[in-house]
Amino acid sequence: DIQMTQSPSTLSASVGDRVTITCRASQNINKWLAWYQEKPGKAPKLLIYKASSLESGVPSRFSGSGSGTEFTLTISSLQPDDFATYYCQQYDSYSTFGQGTKVEIK
Amino acid sequence: EVLLVESGGGLVQPGGSLRLSCAASGFTFSNYDMSWVRQAPGKGLEWVSVVNTAGGIYYADSVKGRFTLSRDSSKNTLYLQMNDLRVGDTAVYYCARSMPGGGTNFQHWGQGTLVTVSS
Repeated sequence: DIQMTQSPSTLSASVGDRVTITCRASQNINKWLAWYQEKPGKAPKLLIYKASSLESGVPSRFSGSGSGTEFTLTISSLQPDDFATYYCQQYDSYSTFGQGTKVEIK
Repeated sequence: EVLLVESGGGLVQPGGSLRLSCAASGFTFSNYDMSWVRQAPGKGLEWVSVVNTAGGIYYADSVKGRFTLSRDSSKNTLYLQMNDLRVGDTAVYYCARSMPGGGTNFQHWGQGTLVTVSS
């Protein structure tokens, strides 16, 4: 099974900060990686697919990069609506999620 | 507009059974891979099962042999039959649709249905 490791688990940041979350796969998943945003009591929302493709309607301050085993999600300028939990997910072989990164207000 | 509406959750004793349903609308149901994803209280997301457009069905190891996924394209409905339920199966269960082109990715999600396994 493919394991996904996200870091950090929690991130404290301020509005306007540049934020980077890292996700590492236990084996090569090419570019079959997605990022989701989750807020309390709501279903997750797809942000990025195929490692770097922005889902329709998602603000351009979100970007993804990487391939193989190392991936990053970057928020270029953190906005109040961005305080949430973020998950990476591989879909090269079935599916595995990372453990999540909570972005909280500093 | 894509709409996924789950139902069937509730309280069940360990060893019991439940069947979840996911009613889909706003897209051609048979053209997309459909999955179940769950989230235990205070925990992360866990993929449970997927059915692809060819009818192939796959399960996470944690539910293999106990859960059965099926789809009825005439009713645009996805099902998850859950047997031999355990306390560890307690979670919100989400139905999710893949992106065009398929794969175990999750472009659209339902609102979720809560399953509580407790004596």
